[in-house]
Amino acid sequence: GEDVEQSLFLSVREGDSSVINCTYTDSSSTYLYWYKQEPGAGLQLLTYIFSNMDMKQDQRLTVLLNKKDKHLSLRIADTQTGDSAIYFCAEREDYGGATNKLIFGTGTLLAVQP
Amino acid sequence: KAGVTQTPRYLIKTRGQQVTLSCSPISGHRSVSWYQQTPGQGLQFLFEYFSETQRNKGNFPGRFSGRQFSNSRSEMNVSTLELGDSALYLCASSLVAYEQYFGPGTRLTVT
Repeated sequence: GEDVEQSLFLSVREGDSSVINCTYTDSSSTYLYWYKQEPGAGLQLLTYIFSNMDMKQDQRLTVLLNKKDKHLSLRIADTQTGDSAIYFCAEREDYGGATNKLIFGTGTLLAVQP
Repeated sequence: KAGVTQTPRYLIKTRGQQVTLSCSPISGHRSVSWYQQTPGQGLQFLFEYFSETQRNKGNFPGRFSGRQFSNSRSEMNVSTLELGDSALYLCASSLVAYEQYFGPGTRLTVT
C-alpha cells in the first residue's frame, strides 16, 4: 500500500535554509503536497507540485521532486521563527477514479532557533 | 472569502455516547473530506463526499459515518464512542481536485 515517510525532527538557526525530505511509494501519484500545522491549528496548504515537474518555486519555498527515487523535498529559504511548525508531506491517491484522498507522512517538526 | 469552518471546536464525551461534528466548506466547494489525526496513527483519511455522495472511504469501522447536504455542508457521526476515538478531526474542502483546504479541526476527547 501507499506509505509516505519523513524524518521526525529538524533544527535550524534563524536565517539559515531548511530542507525537509519525504519519500513516497505510489508512483502513480499525480500531485504531491506540503502542508504546515502550527500548534492547535488545522493544516495550511503551503504548496503542491504536479508529478511531471521537477521543481516549483514560490517565494521562500522551493519544492524538488525526484520521481525516479520517489523523493520530495521542501526548502525554506531564510527560515524565520514563525516557520516553526510541523510540516507534512502528502500524496494524492490516484487509482483511476475521482478522489481527493490524501496519504500523509508522519510530519517533520521544524524548530527554528533565534 | 471565509475558510473552512468546523463546529464545535472542542468536545468532551464519555464512552458509549455518540457525537456529530459539522463542517462548512469554502463557498462554492463541492468536495468535503474528513481526516482523523492522532499522535499514534497520524493523519488518516475517513471519507470524502462530493455532491451529496460518498466518493471514497478509508479503513474505519462502521461506527464512523458521514453525510453531505445539498449546500455542501457535511457532518460526520461517531457512534458508541471508544477511548481510542479521541483525536483531532479535520475537514477539508476543495473546488478543484488538486487543492484541498483544511479547517481548524474539532478536538474530541472521550473519557
